[in-house]
Amino acid sequence: GAGVSQTPSNKVTEKGKYVELRCDPISGHTALYWYRQSLGQGPEFLIYFQGTGAADDSGLPNDRFFAVRPEGSVSTLKIQRTERGDSAVYLCASSRSGQHTGELFFGEGSRLTVL
Amino acid sequence: KNQVEQSPQSLIILEGKNCTLQCNYTVSPFSNLRWYKQDTGRGPVSLTIMTFSENTKSNGRYTATLDADTKQSSLHITASQLSDSASYICVVIPGGYNKLIFGAGTRLAVHP
Repeated sequence: GAGVSQTPSNKVTEKGKYVELRCDPISGHTALYWYRQSLGQGPEFLIYFQGTGAADDSGLPNDRFFAVRPEGSVSTLKIQRTERGDSAVYLCASSRSGQHTGELFFGEGSRLTVL
Repeated sequence: KNQVEQSPQSLIILEGKNCTLQCNYTVSPFSNLRWYKQDTGRGPVSLTIMTFSENTKSNGRYTATLDADTKQSSLHITASQLSDSASYICVVIPGGYNKLIFGAGTRLAVHP
């Protein structure tokens, strides 16, 4: 597609439930990132994929969070046993491989609300 | 600890006026710095990139400056428009690494 696509755009769930957020990056972009953004804050790094592998997952807050990118394109962020503190906008971004200029192309985010 | 701090936290200006947003960073080593614009409910979009050797770069009504010695950057917006209302986020890229470090942003509101 023309841009990074994220679904769902909004998700409301109850504490303790399981959630999956999907990201479809720009075609041909091998690098994919997940960020989390709380109200009034800048995006916080979660995980970075280069191709199918997670090159850096140091931002995942705990083992309830997991992300996959099995075919090197679409990625899914999975959150188990959701907590109210997980409420945030989850942003996905992609970039061309191998560059370190920081130009990421972001999706519009998935807003997660945990009641 | 790598940090990117922005000021002011929020700013209100009248349409047509100029404004300057500040970014101080302690990231080292430093590769380059970008300013992103984030409209409400949207993802951030890159406005400009500054490498450590550049002092000034313009993109239309936006002008970014960088002082790598003092580790400061600014984003100047000229003749503001209502559509400039957004959050402006300073992002620093450490040398040789893909993990961007984001500031908290400055929320700009342009009023008619």
